[in-house]
Amino acid sequence: KAGVTQTPRYLIKTRGQQVTLSCSPISGHRSVSWYQQTPGQGLQFLFEYFSETQRNKGNFPGRFSGRQFSNSRSEMNVSTLELGDSALYLCASSESGRELRNEQFFGPGTRLTVL
Amino acid sequence: QQPVQSPQAVILREGEDAVINCSSSKALYSVHWYRQKHGEAPVFLMILLKGGEQKGHEKISASFNEKKQQSSLYLTASQLSYSGTYFCGTVSGGSNYKLTFGKGTLLTVNP
Repeated sequence: KAGVTQTPRYLIKTRGQQVTLSCSPISGHRSVSWYQQTPGQGLQFLFEYFSETQRNKGNFPGRFSGRQFSNSRSEMNVSTLELGDSALYLCASSESGRELRNEQFFGPGTRLTVL
Repeated sequence: QQPVQSPQAVILREGEDAVINCSSSKALYSVHWYRQKHGEAPVFLMILLKGGEQKGHEKISASFNEKKQQSSLYLTASQLSYSGTYFCGTVSGGSNYKLTFGKGTLLTVNP
């Protein structure tokens, strides 16, 4: 099976702009989670989607949003970018039901730089 | 709340052993362990579930003390390939099954 893919791999934006990142999960996986990774904070959970519904949400401001399509592909959007949004954004897919009993498969990430 | 990992960093010589600890202030449903090499995506190592079930790679050893809300990852006879950052993630369960990761432990194995 093909792994998790994320596009684009690198992105440079300026403050105030908005950005959309895309994630294609492993075929058959219905759960997609998004994480923000920064050197100081490690991996921080943004949200999880399952069957087109947001199942869980982390502690990020409303500028961070996401959605999932019927084919399980997911997008996340960040509006009004701030310098602090510069990070590696990772998406992970899983066969997991609600209780997260299965491993997550991570994509290579999108490196977002905000100038 | 983010679990706390210790140590933050450890340096080993090939063949030595290491233990990485993960502690939470909340009652836990499960603990997940991942390893991330520099410039790569995190890779799954193990899940330890409340009640004793474990899923993971055969060569990986870990424990989960449900009463103390703690988990430990045991790396024995380390190899150069073990180098990377190890993350523990915790799920508290209840009405909210979300995976919260610690800040990571950087493991360096030298020849």
